[in-house]
Amino acid sequence: GQQLNQSPQSMFIQEGEDVSMNCTSSSIFNTWLWYKQDPGEGPVLLIALYKAGELTSNGRLTAQFGITRKDSFLNISASIPSDVGIYFCAGLFYAGGTSYGKLTFGQGTILTVHP
Amino acid sequence: EAQVTQNPRYLITVTGKKLTVTCSQNMNHEYMSWYRQDPGLGLRQIYYSMNVEVTDKGDVPEGYKVSRKEKRNFPLILESPSPNQTSLYFCASSYAGTQYFGPGTRLLVL
Repeated sequence: GQQLNQSPQSMFIQEGEDVSMNCTSSSIFNTWLWYKQDPGEGPVLLIALYKAGELTSNGRLTAQFGITRKDSFLNISASIPSDVGIYFCAGLFYAGGTSYGKLTFGQGTILTVHP
Repeated sequence: EAQVTQNPRYLITVTGKKLTVTCSQNMNHEYMSWYRQDPGLGLRQIYYSMNVEVTDKGDVPEGYKVSRKEKRNFPLILESPSPNQTSLYFCASSYAGTQYFGPGTRLLVL
């Protein structure tokens, strides 16, 4: 089956620094999603990418759908303490005219921000 | 408010005692799924349902059952729980590929 490799596994940064994380896949996806999970909560969708090459921003977050459709990255600029959490990438592959497909998750990046 | 709800949020049980975790969504989504989350393994899909009475296995279906008798509900059933099913479980519903997650159910099987 499809596998996603997400890196880095963890990051320890100072408040104000920029953050970059990425996911690579062994096969193509139709959609890339980035989620954030706070302790004790379910993952919350941050950004959805639907087209190869697409670059999308959501406040201080920017994500891109790789041209090869096998990778994606997420950048966080000027980090703040509330950015702490686990960030997951997820790839969605669907075929045959349906948009429901199978979602595959990366292992997650644990982000710690020191004030 | 659009949401996915799960109950219970926390559960401690013993090996072999059947249990059900309920999931309900109020967004009229056709697609629903169950995941388990374990340290270092991310989220792995257990079962999914593309509509009422349509369910299929995900990546780790062994030891689980589901049913989808109505669109809003998608319960997860553990007929005979074992300690390796101790995990954090999430229900999700989706529209157009983007999934919305419930708050999670933390299960401990002794």
